[in-house]
Amino acid sequence: GAVVSQHPSWVICKSGTSVKIECRSLDFQATTMFWYRQFPKQSLMLMATSNEGSKATYEQGVEKDKFLINHASLTLSTLTVTSAHPEDSSFYICSARRLAGPIETQYFGPGTRLLVL
Amino acid sequence: QKEVEQNSGPLSVPEGAIASLNCTYSDRGSQSFFWYRQYSGKSPELIMSIYSNGDKEDGRFTAQLNKASQYVSLLIRDSQPSDSATYLCAVPENAVNNRKLIWGLGTSLAVNP
Repeated sequence: GAVVSQHPSWVICKSGTSVKIECRSLDFQATTMFWYRQFPKQSLMLMATSNEGSKATYEQGVEKDKFLINHASLTLSTLTVTSAHPEDSSFYICSARRLAGPIETQYFGPGTRLLVL
Repeated sequence: QKEVEQNSGPLSVPEGAIASLNCTYSDRGSQSFFWYRQYSGKSPELIMSIYSNGDKEDGRFTAQLNKASQYVSLLIRDSQPSDSATYLCAVPENAVNNRKLIWGLGTSLAVNP
């Protein structure tokens, strides 16, 4: 159990276009999902916390108008990179928080590689 | 500012040896602790979680928690080359909502055949 999927696994796009990434919890409901970004050889960086039915909470320095997050259901969160530029090229990873009684655990999707030309 | 600290390594061990990875945390109120493994180019995967003081074993992995000293460690017995990865320690932020994880920078482990 506790499977999280992401789609697409990789995407190449032209500068100025928008890219949508989907994150799904396949076998559990997730009221909270998280979006991370990771540049090569660097640490995970939390971008935002996505809550089902409410606005996402963005980390300091992350532009909410550029990285649009929608958590429309208990199993799906989407991240849209609007007007992508080469500096947005990165590895985007989502995680979903699973609650089992008082115990909560984050499970990660496989990630999406974005290359903006 | 809550912190989670790990030695960056690289930690190099021969195949078959025990690898010991350590993590310290600043928030005395922390209740749960996680170890993730991240292979190069891949996303993190959960290895172990621990909530109570003492040891928790799962196959070749043992997590050790000492809340009084504010450290949590991960032991990997009979290390294999396939264990070569970055190991990340994480502690949930102690808040009611939006319990994001506070991450260590990770320890790079190399298991040499």
